[in-house]
Amino acid sequence: DTGVSQDPRHKITKRGQNVTFRCDPISEHNRLYWYRQTLGQGPEFLTYFQNEAQLEKSRLLSDRFSAERPKGSFSTLEIQRTEQGDSAMYLCASSLWSYEQYFGPGTRLTVT
Amino acid sequence: AQKVTQAQTEISVVEKEDVTLDCVYETRDTTYYLFWYKQPPSGELVFLIRRNSFDEQNEISGRYSWNFQKSTSSFNFTITASQVVDSAVYFCALSELEWETSGSRLTFGEGTQLTVNP
Repeated sequence: DTGVSQDPRHKITKRGQNVTFRCDPISEHNRLYWYRQTLGQGPEFLTYFQNEAQLEKSRLLSDRFSAERPKGSFSTLEIQRTEQGDSAMYLCASSLWSYEQYFGPGTRLTVT
Repeated sequence: AQKVTQAQTEISVVEKEDVTLDCVYETRDTTYYLFWYKQPPSGELVFLIRRNSFDEQNEISGRYSWNFQKSTSSFNFTITASQVVDSAVYFCALSELEWETSGSRLTFGEGTQLTVNP
């Protein structure tokens, strides 16, 4: 049984570049969540999918951020025109309905 | 709006001591869930417990125990006979039922860094 996986684990990019992260949830889970965590803080909710439908987005998710979950399986989170303030750990989690969420190892983004 | 407060930023204990991590929450809903997660130095959040707002029974799992008191909006976590491997950041979290979307996003506290010294 594999857990939630995320790729890449680390990403360094220059300001203004676009980046895309991938999350593969636990296979039988129908819900997938994206969170962002900065140093010394708890994770903050960004968006969530139920199957392929994106049902909720946080106001933290600016127009530069877009997420997809085609076919209700893996998900991608894209950040366009990255800014230094985007530097953070991006966490993906999955759950079966509203049961406990299981988190992946995260993608650490550094914008230089 | 929902909010989770973990007033203890850092706690340091000596191995075998008992330690309690505090969590206070705010929510408008009568139906909600409370969680504790552990984040070891490796960074991956590990699920510890999920508690329904209707179930105020305390729970014990090995050296871990949780005290849920709805009257004081608290969900405290106690580690008995702490060990060095318990060193981590511990997060308390809350999810409300969003009836329109049936969502269950988590609102986290800021975490408590627990250091257990040998």
